[in-house]
Amino acid sequence: EADIYQTPRYLVIGTGKKITLECSQTMGHDKMYWYQQDPGMELHLIHYSYGVNSTEKGDLSSESTVSRIRTEHFPLTLESARPSHTSQYLCASSAQVNDSPLHFGNGTRLTVT
Amino acid sequence: RKEVEQDPGPFNVPEGATVAFNCTYSNSASQSFFWYRQDCRKEPKLLMSVYSSGNEDGRFTAQLNRASQYISLLIRDSKLSDSATYLCVVPGSARQLTFGSGTQLTVLP
Repeated sequence: EADIYQTPRYLVIGTGKKITLECSQTMGHDKMYWYQQDPGMELHLIHYSYGVNSTEKGDLSSESTVSRIRTEHFPLTLESARPSHTSQYLCASSAQVNDSPLHFGNGTRLTVT
Repeated sequence: RKEVEQDPGPFNVPEGATVAFNCTYSNSASQSFFWYRQDCRKEPKLLMSVYSSGNEDGRFTAQLNRASQYISLLIRDSKLSDSATYLCVVPGSARQLTFGSGTQLTVLP
């Protein structure tokens, strides 16, 4: 089972603040992903990376940015948080082999007031 | 056509019942498929992988029909703890795994 960790689990922050959501995995997976999910709704892919220095935007447009300087680390940053960013953010990783399953972290629940 | 479509549910079944969910996909080149389970306000967890015609794990059976481009999940002898949302996942056209919108299952005592 993949070990993938997200911090913080919960974050309540005021409008305009800069925030970084952390995601780390210890399985050596090359592929990493960020999904956004509102309660009771679908998962939406917002960013993904196939390796160091590789990042791409996903299906859902997002004001967040990501970086991939190390294989194990894939942080997501919001430069200026807004109430519309309130959601759950899920990080996932998978092996390089095509069509490998995703392993998810336990998510960060973000509330912007 | 969406890349993956699921029965939306909700499915409300009594304990001990057998229930099946279907999921259709559009990318005929897809080779591997997955079923995930997601509990309320938690992350999705891998339930089963399907690489050929089907897979069975205890009370759970996943079947793949390539000709008709659908996969199904059968749960036998439903338990209260099976209540969750079940997500169908298929490889999409853009090299990404595509998640279905999920089927909500509630097992009633």
